[in-house]
Amino acid sequence: SQKIEQNSEALNIQEGKTATLTCNYTNYSPAYLQWYRQDPGRGPVFLLLIRENEKEKRKERLKVTFDTTLKQSLFHITASQPADSATYLCALEGGKLIFGQGTELSVKP
Amino acid sequence: GAGVSQSPSNKVTEKGKDVELRCDPISGHTALYWYRQSLGQGLEFLIYFQGNSAPDKSGLPSDRFSAERTGGSVSTLTIQRTQQEDSAVYLCASSLTDSASGNTIYFGEGSWLTVV
Repeated sequence: SQKIEQNSEALNIQEGKTATLTCNYTNYSPAYLQWYRQDPGRGPVFLLLIRENEKEKRKERLKVTFDTTLKQSLFHITASQPADSATYLCALEGGKLIFGQGTELSVKP
Repeated sequence: GAGVSQSPSNKVTEKGKDVELRCDPISGHTALYWYRQSLGQGLEFLIYFQGNSAPDKSGLPSDRFSAERTGGSVSTLTIQRTQQEDSAVYLCASSLTDSASGNTIYFGEGSWLTVV
């Protein structure tokens, strides 16, 4: 069956460290993968898109990798700040946009 | 407005009643999605409209759920004979073109439904 899986446990890190979140998928061949941020009580907000022919994408302190062989995307936030605390969702194109369950990130000062 | 607008923002209804949730997408966006998010859970796909194509209804959980999109713009999600398990945030999103294009999708702030 088709699945998108993200770390179900919350990730707690210290300010200044790099946060790494994982998104794995099975039985999809997505043309692209997207990452979103969701704050409590708000709708998700788009962060980055990476296409199947791209290995890596960067935007300011954010970096996304996409390995179509491993069927995995990694999302990194470098020099993390308490303001980065939120839930991060990956989404892939499978005829429509399908989301993972999200990983909650908490950055402690 | 500039963003996706949803109404009502909060709705408390009695079990067995029907509810209608409305979504106004960003002007000019041809793709419109409905998702459901239960407390602490991820986004569950419900339905996807793209232009004049037949909607993808594969995510609707039961025949109590239906949605329409009139004139390629505003969409209404209807839940008939609501049950307590329908309590969730219903999120609407829109994008400029179809999902295969990779366009960003923009979410509304959601309609929080509580069935008592």
